[in-house]
Amino acid sequence: DAGITQSPRHKVTETGTPVTLRCHQTENHRYMYWYRQDPGHGLRLIHYSYGVKDTDKGEVSDGYSVSRSKTEDFLLTLESATSSQTSVYFCAISGTGLRGYTQYFGPGTRLTVL
Amino acid sequence: TQLLEQSPQFLSIQEGENLTVYCNSSSVFSSLQWYRQEPGEGPVLLVTVVTGGEVKKLKRLTFQFGDARKDSSLHITAAQPGDTGLYLCAGAEGSQGNLIFGKGTKLSVKP
Repeated sequence: DAGITQSPRHKVTETGTPVTLRCHQTENHRYMYWYRQDPGHGLRLIHYSYGVKDTDKGEVSDGYSVSRSKTEDFLLTLESATSSQTSVYFCAISGTGLRGYTQYFGPGTRLTVL
Repeated sequence: TQLLEQSPQFLSIQEGENLTVYCNSSSVFSSLQWYRQEPGEGPVLLVTVVTGGEVKKLKRLTFQFGDARKDSSLHITAAQPGDTGLYLCAGAEGSQGNLIFGKGTKLSVKP
């Protein structure tokens, strides 16, 4: 299994509060991703990073920001959480190579915004 | 925006039956991955296919990438209760290799 951890694993917060989710990898992979998974929508890309301090937006980036100050950590921040951001959040990593950018996923963070 | 359509959305079968899950798109992907996800866990990679027409076997699972690299299928022979889970296909797009996911097929295999 790829060395990916996410913290916290579960969080309940209130509307309007800031929330930061952390993804930590021990694989030294270049690429890191944040997804959210919702019933009926599948996995949707929020933001991704292709190196330290290099990030870009995904399909559903509104209301989210990210930071990557070192290779092993990728932070996802909800500046002011809303109920629509209740979801399960997954971090993924991938290296480059000949096999098509295969991604390996963390265990997920279940976030509930009341 | 590239889309991946997975079918069927739900599948409930008896142990020992065979099944096929389909993943279709109008777009060409550089590669396609299949993942399996169990409740409360992250998706786990099953296979990556890269070459058009490629067939890969993983025990009772057979994966095929279409010749035009627009579609793929997953066939399970003699399904077992341990195969129960959400099966996701994902196509790689763009120079960064970002993945586009299908919405998944939820498989239930009853003993």
